[in-house]
Amino acid sequence: GAGVSQSPRYKVTKRGQDVALRCDPISGHVSLYWYRQALGQGPEFLTYFNYEAQQDKSGLPNDRFSAERPEGSISTLTIQRTEQRDSAMYRCASSFGRARSITDTQYFGPGTRLTVL
Amino acid sequence: GQNIDQPTEMTATEGAIVQINCTYQTSGFNGLFWYQQHAGEAPTFLSYNVLDGLEEKGRFSSFLSRSKGYSYLLLKELQMKDSASYLCAVRDAGAAGNKLTFGGGTRVLVKP
Repeated sequence: GAGVSQSPRYKVTKRGQDVALRCDPISGHVSLYWYRQALGQGPEFLTYFNYEAQQDKSGLPNDRFSAERPEGSISTLTIQRTEQRDSAMYRCASSFGRARSITDTQYFGPGTRLTVL
Repeated sequence: GQNIDQPTEMTATEGAIVQINCTYQTSGFNGLFWYQQHAGEAPTFLSYNVLDGLEEKGRFSSFLSRSKGYSYLLLKELQMKDSASYLCAVRDAGAAGNKLTFGGGTRVLVKP
């Protein structure tokens, strides 16, 4: 089946604009995660959902960042009033969920490369 | 919190063996993952350890010692396509904890 998909793949925006990044998880995956990855670094956790419930948002840098998953499938990460320091690769991952899988491996999408001018 | 350390870069010759070490200091632990990431691509799952010992999967093996906060990924019979970054990640403990904390990644360059 299809893997995790993300859109857009590239987004260039001007400082101060809002952006919305979309993630479509693997079908049947209960858990969905957002990470941010700087060049040459490992992914940094932002937030995650089980179904539509946001379980942990401890990694969101500030209140300009928010995420939702209203129907327990597609998720949107929104960044308001973007700043240049928000430029990064934003990756989404999904998994079956701890209740259904011991390893509960996370599978990553191709990411959205955000550039804030 | 979690702190994950791994070397930044390693170079090895095609056909050789390379061992990538990962040490971690964590407030909780519920499994350690290794991912491979080729340049410009998404991380892909390689291995998972939650109990002490060695897990072998073909040319790749991963070892865990929870008492020492230590893991390694062993790549045998290196091939040119193994040139990539290798990411060590620790999963939080607890029923709701499922976030992964990643190390900075080890870039492996395989030379002919």
